[in-house]
Amino acid sequence: GAGVSQSPSNKVTEKGKDVELRCDPISGHTALYWYRQSLGQGLEFLIYFQGNSAPDKSGLPSDRFSAERTGGSVSTLTIQRTQQEDSAVYLCASSLEGTGNQPQHFGDGTRLSIL
Amino acid sequence: GQQVMQIPQYQHVQEGEDFTTYCNSSTTLSNIQWYKQRPGGHPVFLIQLVKSGEVKKQKRLTFQFGEAKKNSSLHITATQTTDVGTYFCAGPGSARQLTFGSGTQLTVLP
Repeated sequence: GAGVSQSPSNKVTEKGKDVELRCDPISGHTALYWYRQSLGQGLEFLIYFQGNSAPDKSGLPSDRFSAERTGGSVSTLTIQRTQQEDSAVYLCASSLEGTGNQPQHFGDGTRLSIL
Repeated sequence: GQQVMQIPQYQHVQEGEDFTTYCNSSTTLSNIQWYKQRPGGHPVFLIQLVKSGEVKKQKRLTFQFGEAKKNSSLHITATQTTDVGTYFCAGPGSARQLTFGSGTQLTVLP
């Protein structure tokens, strides 16, 4: 099973709680991306990691959102003090390298619902 | 910054009809990629075009890259219900490495 793995697949939580989403990229892929997709909408870029370089956080919508990537592999996206507008599918993708010339491989996503 | 625009946003076709989606970039692209997302699924890479004027085919799907490398199209011949989904184009951006178009949502009516 060499695909991108995300967990949990579904998460329901109350407004104001913190949530942590996990992404395990394809082994050997140096680039990792997080996107958010609301129902029927396109892909909203959140953050991008490339090797040991500083991440590109330009897409994070607020300071409640943060992400880290440990050891150049697994990544976690944390949303603090969740709000109802955070409800969406959060997709993780990885690629062999972050040059823009390699295809991205997506995980199945985490469907986040804020009550 | 670079923008990638896709039209139409939605397309409903009768099964057996053809379908085309268009992608336009504000800047010249080194390559363009196409993805398909089935309802309830995640985007799946279809193809990458690199050369000016390149045309590639995958069964009933034909992909073209414009001569100026700023536009691309995906054409599906004789659509089937299995073609239902959202088709995204994507091109390299300066910061995030791939900028995705807004997608074309295809509905195929049986």
